[in-house]
Amino acid sequence: DTEVTQTPKHLVMGMTNKKSLKCEQHMGHRAMYWYKQKAKKPPELMFVYSYEKLSINESVPSRFSPECPNSSLLNLHLHALQPEDSALYLCASSQATPGTGKETQYFGPGTRLLVL
Amino acid sequence: AQSVTQLGSHVSVSEGALVLLRCNYSSSVPPYLFWYVQYPNQGLQLLLKYTSAATLVKGINGFEAEFKKSETSFHLTKPSAHMSDAAEYFCAVRPNAGGTSYGKLTFGQGTILTVHP
Repeated sequence: DTEVTQTPKHLVMGMTNKKSLKCEQHMGHRAMYWYKQKAKKPPELMFVYSYEKLSINESVPSRFSPECPNSSLLNLHLHALQPEDSALYLCASSQATPGTGKETQYFGPGTRLLVL
Repeated sequence: AQSVTQLGSHVSVSEGALVLLRCNYSSSVPPYLFWYVQYPNQGLQLLLKYTSAATLVKGINGFEAEFKKSETSFHLTKPSAHMSDAAEYFCAVRPNAGGTSYGKLTFGQGTILTVHP
């Protein structure tokens, strides 16, 4: 089973709202990722968590706040977003083969966010 | 820094025809390479991957890709296109880190495949 689940599927929020995106995997993977994808573009990496610790932050604005409560869950807290933040937000997870550095990222279905 | 180039943002084929989607990478050390497919309003699904084993890699849905170090290429092919193959395809590269580092995937710009009846 290589399933990553994301909720909600769609989200509409105003610029003053606070909302959260959720991601879950039960594959025992120890790395989890957030990506942002604009229409007709490839995914752009936002954050990487490795063993529940933030290991990569791609200079993402502070209005995006990631959280990894445990090894199966990843949240993305949203506050005071701008209309240009409207996009598909993808979660992924991976587990390297120990000692080889080989790892494959498996993606969830995404949350389509619209900021009004 | 490594990069990946997908030649052709749009490819159109007839149903039953050969599908060829091109991907070239730039890296001093052969990296790990991946092809993902994205159907409209969905996430990315892994088609196949190259991780330093066999150079000809078979994936799901009848797709395969061949790693050619001399050409720094990892082109995706399918002998006979089906209407259900219409989607966007992304080639991605990850460094051959040689350790348990959770590094970055670098994606190509994507190729939209259209299949005509």
